[in-house]
Amino acid sequence: DAKTTQPPSMDCAEGRAANLPCNHSTISGNEYVYWYRQIHSQGPQYIIHGLKNNETNEMASLIITEDRKSSTLILPHATLRDTAVYYCIVRSPTGGGNKLTFGTGTQLKVEL
Amino acid sequence: GAGVSQSPRYKVAKRGQDVALRCDPISGHVSLFWYQQALGQGPEFLTYFQNEAQLDKSGLPSDRFFAERPEGSVSTLKIQRTQQEDSAVYLCASSLDTGSVSYEQYFGPGTRLTVT
Repeated sequence: DAKTTQPPSMDCAEGRAANLPCNHSTISGNEYVYWYRQIHSQGPQYIIHGLKNNETNEMASLIITEDRKSSTLILPHATLRDTAVYYCIVRSPTGGGNKLTFGTGTQLKVEL
Repeated sequence: GAGVSQSPRYKVAKRGQDVALRCDPISGHVSLFWYQQALGQGPEFLTYFQNEAQLDKSGLPSDRFFAERPEGSVSTLKIQRTQQEDSAVYLCASSLDTGSVSYEQYFGPGTRLTVT
């Protein structure tokens, strides 16, 4: 699986949009971009994934650049409960049983 | 519905003791994964089951680590002769993965193991 690069930490004011960047310049054609987050003392939680089109669900939006070398996770109205470590992971969906390769992620701190 | 559950949530073991960590996956999930998370690090893959078959154990750090899933549902991760470096959070995840498609993984809360 391709390696990803994320900033170690970011701050965001409550109610504002949080934009979390991820670089994955070695991503290959069949690999998807996945985002998980881990709130303190909990297991990781799936957020969203995409291949090349932008995706949106009830939790977040995912913007993938046209060359697929980077992406941005957007939390449109961050709340204090969104404080967590956010992991960007590149992974192939084919073959079954593909493990998740976590990096160190981005620690997002949402403040009043 | 019920998520992935793990027990115990916390375990303190003296160095040299054996421990067993349990994972109850989401009902109907074929695939089950174990990960180890050291303090301040992201989770690292240990092993993967598809039903009762252990298809990948490449992440197990030593032969002191053993995992099983005899009936294709509940899984147990056993660590023999625990060492201080085994102190970590052990996470279990399950998914609907088939043999040909990988889906998102759902994680339990983890078991925090402290070896003294």
